[in-house]
Amino acid sequence: EAQVTQNPRYLITVTGKKLTVTCSQNMNHEYMSWYRQDPGLGLRQIYYSMNVEVTDKGDVPEGYKVSRKEKRNFPLILESPSPNQTSLYFCASSLTIGTGFSYTFGSGTRLTVV
Amino acid sequence: KQEVTQIPAALSVPEGENLVLNCSFTDSAIYNLQWFRQDPGKGLTSLLLIQSSQREQTSGRLNASLDKSSGRSTLYIAASQPGDSATYLCAVSGETSGSRLTFGEGTQLTVNP
Repeated sequence: EAQVTQNPRYLITVTGKKLTVTCSQNMNHEYMSWYRQDPGLGLRQIYYSMNVEVTDKGDVPEGYKVSRKEKRNFPLILESPSPNQTSLYFCASSLTIGTGFSYTFGSGTRLTVV
Repeated sequence: KQEVTQIPAALSVPEGENLVLNCSFTDSAIYNLQWFRQDPGKGLTSLLLIQSSQREQTSGRLNASLDKSSGRSTLYIAASQPGDSATYLCAVSGETSGSRLTFGEGTQLTVNP
């Protein structure tokens, strides 16, 4: 089944403890992206990657890192999490960008930083 | 900067009713408009994708239309069912917004049995 898989689904951590949220897609998509969803603010893009080894900042990149060493994987790294990073995170992928190309989203990771 | 607005923010209807959700966007230079469904605390499920050159798309009881020149899209749900209860999000991608999808805040739909 074609899908975007995120892990973990739920995570509670403490301030400052480094964590990684994994994202993997099995559709050979070139484009991958991370979003966070917050009440009243909607979905905002954190980082995106147009292809292997090509990443760039979205709207809210502060406090996050990403890497794209393989086409299928796009992990999100929080080096020193803070409570304001408590949010629902989504990974998305698309074959590429442009007319006719839809985005597929993962099931989400609910992160709580205490 | 692209902005997407969805009206109404919430909608409660009895089962069986036909309903329309509205989405408007400010920049008409779009690649696509995509409608998603989100169940509470869950992921986004893609419902329909309308390319910028298309006027509408249909899937089962769902029909989405696009009027790019006026910056509007509607999602029509026929014969609503309690299982349709969810938040519906529209999102656009386009030349000025680069790779990102710009989302509306969503319409929270409740279909009462």
